[in-house]
Amino acid sequence: QKEVEQNSGPLSVPEGAIASLNCTYSDRGSQSFFWYRQYSGKSPELIMFIYSNGDKEDGRFTAQLNKASQYVSLLIRDSQPSDSATYLCAVMEYGNKLVFGAGTILRVKS
Amino acid sequence: DADVTQTPRNRITKTGKRIMLECSQTKGHDRMYWYRQDPGLGLRLIYYSFDVKDINKGEISDGYSVSRQAQAKFSLSLESAIPNQTALYFCATHSGNTGELFFGEGSRLTVL
Repeated sequence: QKEVEQNSGPLSVPEGAIASLNCTYSDRGSQSFFWYRQYSGKSPELIMFIYSNGDKEDGRFTAQLNKASQYVSLLIRDSQPSDSATYLCAVMEYGNKLVFGAGTILRVKS
Repeated sequence: DADVTQTPRNRITKTGKRIMLECSQTKGHDRMYWYRQDPGLGLRLIYYSFDVKDINKGEISDGYSVSRQAQAKFSLSLESAIPNQTALYFCATHSGNTGELFFGEGSRLTVL
């Protein structure tokens, strides 16, 4: 079983809708969780990080963490075509090793 | 100038050749990482280093070696390249405070 699991997609949503991206992880000791966005041919860039159970909001983005269920999600409100990219979930495991999921492709249709 | 610089950006080589990918950073971070990205597989950790004397294997270190020449420099070597090492390679530095990774622009390697 891969340590960090994501649905590869593509996830298609209409412009203005909410995009919901999900991630599960296997290491119960993980404390830090990250969402990166990667445009085709570019390097990943950090969108949000979350450490505590619950929700964390930043503009149109909301990260949600449930450590008991080992589940982290990213909601993108009012999705725009410019949000079309691959979204990578990353988990900081014991020993400060950052492990990535395979990524979910998001397509926002105008 | 970029904070994390990778060279070369693109390289085509033949099976059996030795290849070195270099990474330098100006962010002053102690922690540096090498990842490999293949379509559908995300980023997979090859090696990581917390300082010049601390080198750790990642999940796919076989066939690779690294050298941390200084705090700012972390090189990845393929001693004898094979076609399934064709991939996009990323170097990254790590902020110990926020946990954020700062990536280089990537090195695309093709092994024929």
